[in-house]
Amino acid sequence: RKEVEQDPGPFNVPEGATVAFNCTYSNSASQSFFWYRQDCRKEPKLLMSVYSSGNEDGRFTAQLNRASQYISLLIRDSKLSDSATYLCVVNSNSGYALNFGKGTSLLVTP
Amino acid sequence: GAVVSQHPSWVICKSGTSVKIECRSLDFQATTMFWYRQFPKQSLMLMATSNEGSKATYEQGVEKDKFLINHASLTLSTLTVTSAHPEDSSFYICSATQGREQYFGPGTRLTVT
Repeated sequence: RKEVEQDPGPFNVPEGATVAFNCTYSNSASQSFFWYRQDCRKEPKLLMSVYSSGNEDGRFTAQLNRASQYISLLIRDSKLSDSATYLCVVNSNSGYALNFGKGTSLLVTP
Repeated sequence: GAVVSQHPSWVICKSGTSVKIECRSLDFQATTMFWYRQFPKQSLMLMATSNEGSKATYEQGVEKDKFLINHASLTLSTLTVTSAHPEDSSFYICSATQGREQYFGPGTRLTVT
């Protein structure tokens, strides 16, 4: 079983739509959770950290369910510029090193 | 935010040659840096953890004699792909940790012909 699993998509949505991504992780000892965004042929960039109580940053809302080992990302009012691959990321056993999901591809269309 | 640079951004080399990739933290010191590899349509896979002043820790399945890592200072780690083969063609990305967050370099695209 992979450590971090995501639905690869692609998700094709119109501008203004709300879209949700899900992710599950296998290591119950994981302590840090993130969503990264990766544009084609570029490095990943941190979108937001995910906290146990859930957190929101503008149009982006992240949720964590430790009991189910499940993480989600909700994007409201999608913009064309949101088109990218969204990576669910969990810290590894060694502490700071990260385990990445394969990513979920999002395409927002006019 | 913190800035991490990598050099070169892309490189084409012949099979059997060695390639060195540099990773620098530009505005902060990083005692630990990480090297990842990403094949097309795949996730980033951790190759090794680079520790300043000590030997790197390699992930299972990564050959330490093929991927030489040197972390000579708090701002520089290098990855040398020795005797590169076409299957080593990939996107190599380094990262450095500042606090709880990890910052990535822009990546190096290696093509071995």
